[in-house]
Order: sequence, then structure tokens, then C-alpha cells
Amino acid sequence: GENVEQHPSTLSVQEGDSAVIKCTYSDSASNYFPWYKQELGKRPQLIIDIRSNVGEKKDQRIAVTLNKTAKHFSLHITETQPEDSAVYFCAAPPNTGNQFYFGTGTSLTVIP
Amino acid sequence: EAQVTQNPRYLITVTGKKLTVTCSQNMNHEYMSWYRQDPGLGLRQIYYSMNVEVTDKGDVPEGYKVSRKEKRNFPLILESPSPNQTSLYFCASSFRLAGWAEQFFGPGTRLTVL
Repeated sequence: GENVEQHPSTLSVQEGDSAVIKCTYSDSASNYFPWYKQELGKRPQLIIDIRSNVGEKKDQRIAVTLNKTAKHFSLHITETQPEDSAVYFCAAPPNTGNQFYFGTGTSLTVIP
Repeated sequence: EAQVTQNPRYLITVTGKKLTVTCSQNMNHEYMSWYRQDPGLGLRQIYYSMNVEVTDKGDVPEGYKVSRKEKRNFPLILESPSPNQTSLYFCASSFRLAGWAEQFFGPGTRLTVL
């Protein structure tokens, strides 16, 4: 099955700085790469996703980049704010089959 | 309101006592799934269902059962719970017409098995 690795597992940044979380995947046929945010005590929610036909997608302060050759994709958060503090999960479901694979999560803390 | 609901939200039980966690969605989604969340291990898929009467194992299916008799419901059954099933459980659903789509998660069920 798919193997999704996510780094770092914890990340602390000063408010206003940028944060970058990286994921690598093993199935070269994967073509959908979502990112979920889970605030403390809450359920995961999709914040952004990208499909393999584009290399980058932006939504206000968040962006995702994809390098299909290297099989990695990254979440970029600019001008971080305290409300960005959460656990972030990447996922890379394989192109064939119906299982869904998440990374192990990154706990982001934005220090005011 | 479009949503995924789970019950109960919290459950403390003892080893071997059968339990069921219910999951229901009102979005007419085809794909439903159960995950468990453990520190350092992220979200791991237990079982998933592509549609009514179609279920399959995820990454960690041992000790769990599921059924999909109606499109909206996807209960998770622990026939003989053990302490290593203590975890936070999430049900999720998505409208998967072609390719992958956003998964909507329920509020979670925190299970403790003594």
C-alpha cells in the first residue's frame, strides 16, 4: 500500500513567520494530495488540496506545492497567526484501490 | 445542516464487553470510513465502504467489524474490546464520484477499554 511520511512531527514558529510541512509518498500513480487541519479537541477538516495536474495551489495564506518527480508535496503557511496552531495531516491516497493513507501529523505551535 | 454524527462521544468499557459506535451522514455520500487516531501514529484507516453492502479492510482492521446496510449509516463494532483498542475514533464520509474528494469527519468518539 501507499507509504506517506510527514516531517517534522512538531514545529514551533514565531507569529508572523512562515511554516513549512513536507510529505513524501511512495505510489507514483497517486494524483490527489489533501491537507487537513485538526484543532485541539476538534475533528480534522480539509484546508487545501491539489491534484497532480498542477504544481502549486494557493488560498490566501496557505499554499501547497507538488513535485511529482521527487514524490513529495509541501504545505506552506505564511504570516502565521496563533489560530494556525493545530495538528496538520497530509494524505496521498493511491490511484488504484480505495484505501486512504494519512501522514503521522505535524503539531504546529505559533508563539505570539 | 450537512453533517456526520457519531455516538457515543465518550465511552469507558471493560475488556470483552461488545460495543457499537454509530455513524450517520446526511449528505448522500457513497464513501464512508472509520479511522483511529493515536499519538505519533496519525490517522489510520480501519475499514471503509464504497457503497451499501460494499466494505473492505483498511490498514488496521483486526478486532473490528463494520456493516453498511443503509447508505447513511456505517456502524463500527468491537465484538470483544481489548485495552489496545483504547483510542480516539473518527468516522468520515465523502462524495466520491470520480477520483478523490473531501472527507467530512464526525466529531470523534473517545474510547477507553479497561
